Amino acid sequence: ETGVTQSPTHLIKTRGQQVTLRCSSQSGHNTVSWYQQALGQGPQFIFQYYREEENGRGNFPPRFSGLQFPNYSSELNVNALELDDSALYLCASSDRTGGNRIYGYTFGSGTRLTVV
Amino acid sequence: GQQVMQIPQYQHVQEGEDFTTYCNSSTTLSNIQWYKQRPGGHPVFLIQLVKSGEVKKQKRLTFQFGEAKKNSSLHITATQTTDVGTYFCAGRPTSGTYKYIFGTGTRLKVLA
Repeated sequence: ETGVTQSPTHLIKTRGQQVTLRCSSQSGHNTVSWYQQALGQGPQFIFQYYREEENGRGNFPPRFSGLQFPNYSSELNVNALELDDSALYLCASSDRTGGNRIYGYTFGSGTRLTVV
Repeated sequence: GQQVMQIPQYQHVQEGEDFTTYCNSSTTLSNIQWYKQRPGGHPVFLIQLVKSGEVKKQKRLTFQFGEAKKNSSLHITATQTTDVGTYFCAGRPTSGTYKYIFGTGTRLKVLA
């Protein structure tokens, strides 16, 4: 098992720019969820992908979009970056959409995005 | 909107003391998960509760799901310095969505 890997680990962008964050899910996992975690807050659900289709979305504007690839890896794209988008972006994978009863969701170490 | 609140926000305890964090949802939950996040780390899954009134134990940790499936608690007996971190509950609403709503978290500090 390689776990969930995310890249890059840190990123600095300018307001108005676009960013793409990447996630490789754990081997055998077909479901990927993305979360935004502001400093001192709990993770906020952005969306979930299952077999390359979005099957759940939180309260985030359309400039947050994603993709899941046939190998179940995933991307999070954010357009027109705003200062408030500065946060830790976490990717979580599972072998089923409701989370594995025994193992839950496996989180990656996240990408720390700073928008200046 | 759907919210999940946790209390307390912070807790400092002496090593060996007990600790409890409470999780309350504004809506009925299908199930609830608990995660631990160490400082500078990422959430790590602890457990999932599904049934009304369910109680599960993991060594010194006891997890409980309320009868109405709107609240939950995590109790740690005889805390150790390795218990330091933020504990989050994450509830999945019964509305059919697959999203989990994370609570606000309880940050635990254990003084040796």
